[in-house]
Amino acid sequence: DAKTTQPTSMDCAEGRAANLPCNHSTISGNEYVYWYRQIHSQGPQYIIHGLKNNETNEMASLIITEDRKSSTLILPHATLRDTAVYYCIVRVAIKPGNQFYFGTGTSLTVIP
Amino acid sequence: DTAVSQTPKYLVTQMGNDKSIKCEQNLGHDTMYWYKQDSKKFLKIMFSYNNKELIINETVPNRFSPKSPDKAHLNLHINSLELGDSAVYFCASSRLHSGANVLTFGAGSRLTVL
Repeated sequence: DAKTTQPTSMDCAEGRAANLPCNHSTISGNEYVYWYRQIHSQGPQYIIHGLKNNETNEMASLIITEDRKSSTLILPHATLRDTAVYYCIVRVAIKPGNQFYFGTGTSLTVIP
Repeated sequence: DTAVSQTPKYLVTQMGNDKSIKCEQNLGHDTMYWYKQDSKKFLKIMFSYNNKELIINETVPNRFSPKSPDKAHLNLHINSLELGDSAVYFCASSRLHSGANVLTFGAGSRLTVL
């Protein structure tokens, strides 16, 4: 079901930028890319989303390649509290609703 | 105020029993979802309701029956519980026609079947 592939795990030094890649090579033209994270066993938390253009908010930046087949989530200055599982998701329009397909996620560990 | 609330947070029960998990959202969203997260942490959609109408029903055993009495509630009833039903169940909601259409999740309900 998942339309995305991500590395299983990554480490990042505290204070450095964390760059989390995602492949979505079968994405269609009207399908959005979303990123969520899950800290421990809490409910997933929204981070950012985009369609074609790069996006930035107070949490992160999202870089989407021109062919839209991959994207990178950037946490500019990782802190210990950013240790979590990060999910890259493709939102598929299924009339009248939307379907969010979660991949297996990347477990990010921020190291002091 | 909690935006998406689920009860109970923990549920331990015997095989063969019937149990329910309740979900309520106070965000004014029109679409609600149930996701199942197994021990391998894979999040899988089970159901989606829009304005009380079922719009997504993935291949879930018919022992699972969602019920949406109104737009703010989506309850999950499970009959004849099996060991494999042990998981964390997450409720979520979104506003279908908003620009961002962001999913807001509840804190999860951990079901353990003995």
